[in-house]
Amino acid sequence: DTEVTQTPKHLVMGMTNKKSLKCEQHMGHRAMYWYKQKAKKPPELMFVYSYEKLSINESVPSRFSPECPNSSLLNLHLHALQPEDSALYLCASSQGTHYEQYFGPGTRLTVT
Amino acid sequence: GESVGLHLPTLSVQEGDNSIINCAYSNSASDYFIWYKQESGKGPQFIIDIRSNMDKRQGQRVTVLLNKTVKHLSLQIAATQPGDSAVYFCADLGVTSGTYKYIFGTGTRLKVLA
Repeated sequence: DTEVTQTPKHLVMGMTNKKSLKCEQHMGHRAMYWYKQKAKKPPELMFVYSYEKLSINESVPSRFSPECPNSSLLNLHLHALQPEDSALYLCASSQGTHYEQYFGPGTRLTVT
Repeated sequence: GESVGLHLPTLSVQEGDNSIINCAYSNSASDYFIWYKQESGKGPQFIIDIRSNMDKRQGQRVTVLLNKTVKHLSLQIAATQPGDSAVYFCADLGVTSGTYKYIFGTGTRLKVLA
């Protein structure tokens, strides 16, 4: 199984809402990632978890809060987002730092 | 890779021709490189990778060339097919402030003409 799954596929939320994005992989990968991708732009790294510990936070605003409950799951909790946060949020996993990343299909987020 | 400009470069090729997509990277300490394909509405999909101790690697219909001297990476697709139409990103893995992370290039849209 080389699949990374993400839910939901689409999410529309108001600026006062709280929501969560979920990501799951069953490849035994110990590194998991959140990326943000705007239209016609490359993915931008947000967070990296390595062995369930946060190893990289790319100066992401605190309205985005990542969580890694176990080695297969990665969540991104959203609160008080801004319209400019609307984007495709991609989750990825890899065996380690010098291995290819497997991406999920993404969650298309719209903040109204 | 490096993100420059606001427009996505586009390469149009005839079906059956070979395609060459180029990428420049900026971190001379980068030691691992990946090419991804991203189709509309999907996440990036791994195509091929290359480590810095190599200058060429071949896969099925794809070849990646690495020129560390000029910090340049290219992806060659042989006998381009309509299913190859997508946006292609290079990504390089380098150390910044003691931490390994991937930096994605701007991306190139490949359009295959029938």
